[in-house]
Amino acid sequence: GENVEQHPSTLSVQEGDSAVIKCTYSDSASNYFPWYKQELGKRPQLIIDIRSNVGEKKDQRIAVTLNKTAKHFSLHITETQPEDSAVYFCAARIDTGGFKTIFGAGTRLFVKA
Amino acid sequence: DADVTQTPRNRITKTGKRIMLECSQTKGHDRMYWYRQDPGLGLRLIYYSFDVKDINKGEISDGYSVSRQAQAKFSLSLESAIPNQTALYFCATSEAGEAFFGQGTRLTVV
Repeated sequence: GENVEQHPSTLSVQEGDSAVIKCTYSDSASNYFPWYKQELGKRPQLIIDIRSNVGEKKDQRIAVTLNKTAKHFSLHITETQPEDSAVYFCAARIDTGGFKTIFGAGTRLFVKA
Repeated sequence: DADVTQTPRNRITKTGKRIMLECSQTKGHDRMYWYRQDPGLGLRLIYYSFDVKDINKGEISDGYSVSRQAQAKFSLSLESAIPNQTALYFCATSEAGEAFFGQGTRLTVV
């Protein structure tokens, strides 16, 4: 069945260090991989996404890499800041005639000042 | 951002009661979803709808039902609420990519 595994569940880094969150997906038909950030008490919001025809995408301090052969994709945050502290969700979208998105379990990132 | 609106925002209900969570959207999207969020389990898909006449079960549909009253409205019902349905519920819409979430409904079943 469709599944997205996300690791680690909790990540603590020092301000200025890098943070990496990894996800694997099971359905090879997945073709779109968004990442969402959820701050405490707020709704998830998209921060970056990547499509299956691209291997890497970068937006300022945030980058995402995709390895379709390994069914693996990762979020990289460089020069972390305290405001990066949040829960991050990876997801994989499957096109089944419509779009169904399966989410990972989430990673709680703490950035220590 | 009120593009996806959920009501109520918070609800406490008793075991065995029927409860409905409502979602409306002004984004004009055909696709709507209900997710449940629990600590350590992330967002799990309950039901989804690709248009008014299309309803699909998600990962954890048991104990839930939905109604797509119009393109803009998608409601989630708990026919007989039980304590392990205590969670944060999110409605979402999407078109070709990004999912847009409502503010969430915090449901507590006592």
